[in-house]
Amino acid sequence: AQSVTQLDSQVPVFEEAPVELRCNYSSSVSVYLFWYVQYPNQGLQLLLKYLSGSTLVKGINGFEAEFNKSQTSFHLRKPSVHISDTAEYFCAVSDRASYGKLTFGQGTILTVHP
Amino acid sequence: DSGVTQTPKHLITATGQRVTLRCSPRSGDLSVYWYQQSLDQGLQFLIQYYNGEERAKGNILERFSAQQFPDLHSELNLSSLELGDSALYFCASSVDLAATQETQYFGPGTRLLVL
Repeated sequence: AQSVTQLDSQVPVFEEAPVELRCNYSSSVSVYLFWYVQYPNQGLQLLLKYLSGSTLVKGINGFEAEFNKSQTSFHLRKPSVHISDTAEYFCAVSDRASYGKLTFGQGTILTVHP
Repeated sequence: DSGVTQTPKHLITATGQRVTLRCSPRSGDLSVYWYQQSLDQGLQFLIQYYNGEERAKGNILERFSAQQFPDLHSELNLSSLELGDSALYFCASSVDLAATQETQYFGPGTRLLVL
């Protein structure tokens, strides 16, 4: 069985500051990892995904994440955030046997203050 | 706009009732997924259909059922509703069966309130 733990339920940060949202996963097989963003009253939008290859993955809106197999982590980072980045962020995991089923973490609410 | 549409956007009903949520996937997508987002359980996978057939089942209650029609739209039926069924229900679609490497595109969701 897979599981995902997002270590922070809320992260407040000032505009133009860097941010890291932490995600750890548990799985007995090779995994695929995803970060989704949910803006208020909207559906989820894919930010980036790790399937294989380079452990540093770049996504949309200036976000990137690093896959660390030894630490079973997939932390999301952005060097300089904007007010518009205020949203809830979800880390998710899948694997070959899951037929695409995503297991999500509990979410991290990122609030960017002016 | 992801290209996935869900209707209705909001639904208010009473305990014991039955409702149907509808999802139209993106053009060309064969897989449809249903997820439930609630405050206490978070985002949970319910069920997946591929080209009309059920392919994977998650934490879906027996009171809930789904189907995918020949035109690939999908419906999620929730019956004998309880207060705890109040949640946001998302539909997502992707291109193919495995979909493990394919992006799932999420609809805007249907917010269900059971009173």
